[in-house]
Amino acid sequence: AQSVTQLGSHVSVSEGALVLLRCNYSSSVPPYLFWYVQYPNQGLQLLLKYTSAATLVKGINGFEAEFKKSETSFHLTKPSAHMSDAAEYFCAVSRNSGNTPLVFGKGTRLSVIA
Amino acid sequence: DAGVIQSPRHEVTEMGQEVTLRCKPISGHNSLFWYRQTMMRGLELLIYFNNNVPIDDSGMPEDRFSAKMPNASFSTLKIQPSEPRDSAVYFCASSSGVDYGYTFGSGTRLTVV
Repeated sequence: AQSVTQLGSHVSVSEGALVLLRCNYSSSVPPYLFWYVQYPNQGLQLLLKYTSAATLVKGINGFEAEFKKSETSFHLTKPSAHMSDAAEYFCAVSRNSGNTPLVFGKGTRLSVIA
Repeated sequence: DAGVIQSPRHEVTEMGQEVTLRCKPISGHNSLFWYRQTMMRGLELLIYFNNNVPIDDSGMPEDRFSAKMPNASFSTLKIQPSEPRDSAVYFCASSSGVDYGYTFGSGTRLTVV
């Protein structure tokens, strides 16, 4: 079975500060990993995905994540937070074959303080 | 492409009534997923289809829930009878393969009173 654990249900950063959202995964097979963002009253938007190519993945809006197999982690970072980054962020895992469902973490709410 | 289209965006219904949620996946995508989002349980997979065939419905909470995909461009999720604990946001997503990611609709916010 696959699962992800997001550490911290709520993270608060100052505008311009580093954003670090933590995700650890558990998978019996090589995983595909995703980060999604959800703005209030909206659907989920794909930020980036890891599909067994480069371990450092760059996504939209200046976000990136690094796949670390030894640590079973896929943390999301952004060098400088912007007010518009305030949202809910979800880490998700899937098997790397076929059309299999995503298994989501509980989410981390990011607040950005001016 | 208009993306994954869900209707209605909001639904308020009385306990005991039948509710039907609709989803139009992206053209060419051969997988469709139904998720439910609540504060307590987060995002849960209810059911998914590959090539219009239900593959795993183990997430469907009760027999009151049913889902169909009669063709590649349409799916429904039905709740009959509805109960207040069914109140949640229901998302539909489609995909053409895990390598390409999954595209989510805007969701249907269901309130059962």
